[in-house]
Amino acid sequence: SQKIEQNSEALNIQEGKTATLTCNYTNYSPAYLQWYRQDPGRGPVFLLLIRENEKEKRKERLKVTFDTTLKQSLFHITASQPADSATYLCALDTTGGYNKLIFGAGTRLAVHP
Amino acid sequence: NAGVMQNPRHLVRRRGQEARLRCSPMKGHSHVYWYRQLPEEGLKFMVYLQKENIIDESGMPKERFSAEFPKEGPSILRIQQVVRGDSAAYFCASSPGERSGANVLTFGAGSRLTVL
Repeated sequence: SQKIEQNSEALNIQEGKTATLTCNYTNYSPAYLQWYRQDPGRGPVFLLLIRENEKEKRKERLKVTFDTTLKQSLFHITASQPADSATYLCALDTTGGYNKLIFGAGTRLAVHP
Repeated sequence: NAGVMQNPRHLVRRRGQEARLRCSPMKGHSHVYWYRQLPEEGLKFMVYLQKENIIDESGMPKERFSAEFPKEGPSILRIQQVVRGDSAAYFCASSPGERSGANVLTFGAGSRLTVL
């Protein structure tokens, strides 16, 4: 069966450390993988997109890797800040830009001062 | 730029009533998507629309749910004869046309439906 899995438990880290979130999927062949941030009571906000032929993408303190052999994406936030506390969602686009995204349930990140 | 506007933000309905959720896409965006999020679950795709056309409604329940995106006005997600299981957050998202090369969704703040 097709699955997309993110760490269900909350990730607690100390301010200044690097947060690493994992997204694993099975039985999908995504053309793109996207990461979104969602705050309580708000809609998701786009962070990064990585294509199937890309290994790594960076944006300021954010880094995403995409391993289509392992069927895994890692999302890193370096020099984390309490303001980074939120739920982070990974989403697969198997339609090549059609935007019918398949979302994971998200991982809640808490950055403590 | 006001972004994607959804209303109402909160809606309470009794079983059997109708719920209408509205979405105005971001300026310049012609593609609208509706997603549903149940507590502790990921967002689930419901329907993808362009102006006056339903492109993909494979995520929509076959009964009681309908969506439209008329030539003028917002997109509407309509749920008839609501049941308790319809209680969820409904998110609308928009994107530019396919030829723009952008594959990113801009989401609204969501409409939270509670069915009593």
